[in-house]
Amino acid sequence: AQSVTQPDIHITVSEGASLELRCNYSYGATPYLFWYVQSPGQGLQLLLKYFSGDTLVQGIKGFEAEFKRSQSSFNLRKPSVHWSDAAEYFCAVGNNDMRFGAGTRLTVKP
Amino acid sequence: DTGVSQDPRHKITKRGQNVTFRCDPISEHNRLYWYRQTLGQGPEFLTYFQNEAQLEKSRLLSDRFSAERPKGSFSTLEIQRTEQGDSAMYLCASSLDRGWNEQFFGPGTRLTVL
Repeated sequence: AQSVTQPDIHITVSEGASLELRCNYSYGATPYLFWYVQSPGQGLQLLLKYFSGDTLVQGIKGFEAEFKRSQSSFNLRKPSVHWSDAAEYFCAVGNNDMRFGAGTRLTVKP
Repeated sequence: DTGVSQDPRHKITKRGQNVTFRCDPISEHNRLYWYRQTLGQGPEFLTYFQNEAQLEKSRLLSDRFSAERPKGSFSTLEIQRTEQGDSAMYLCASSLDRGWNEQFFGPGTRLTVL
C-alpha cells in the first residue's frame, strides 16, 4: 500500500537560512510525488511534482525537491527562507487516490 | 474561472443531523476528488469521480457518506446521522484527465458536529 511519512512535525528556521523538509514514501511502482503548501485559511497549493525524468525538480517560490529512489525519499529544499514561507507543508504520493503525509509545520524566526 | 469553490465554508450541526456540501470544480476539469482533513493531519482521500462516474471510494467512506456528481459538473457530499468524529475539514479538488494530474484544491468546508 502506498504511504508517506514526514518525520518532522514542526521545524523552526531563521529567515534567510536554508530549509530541508523530509519525506519518505512507500509505493509499489514508480511513484507520482508531490509537495503541497497550506497556509492558514488557504487551500492547498502545489509547489512541485515528480513522476519521471530529472530527479531534481524545481517548483514555485524557489523550492526544489530531489527524488532518491534508493532512499525512497523526496525531500523539499529551499536555499533561503522568507517569512512568508511559514505554513504547513505536505508531501503526497499517488495519482487519483493521493496519500498525504501528516505534514510539517514551518515556523520562520525573524 | 477563479478555481475550485466549496459551499458552505463552515457548517455547525448537531449530532444526528444530515449535512450536504457542494463543490464546483474548475470548469474544464472532468475529475473531481473529495478528501477529509482532521486537525494535525494531512488530507485523507475519500472518493473521486471521472465525469459523473464514481471510480473509487476509500474504506473511510462509511455507509453514512454519499457523494454524487450527477451531470459531471458540481458534486455533493452528504453525511447522514452525523457523529462528533465527522468533525473535520472536507476538501474538494479537481483535475484534468490525463496520465498524471495536478489536483487543484478548494478552500474546504469546515464541519463541526456538536
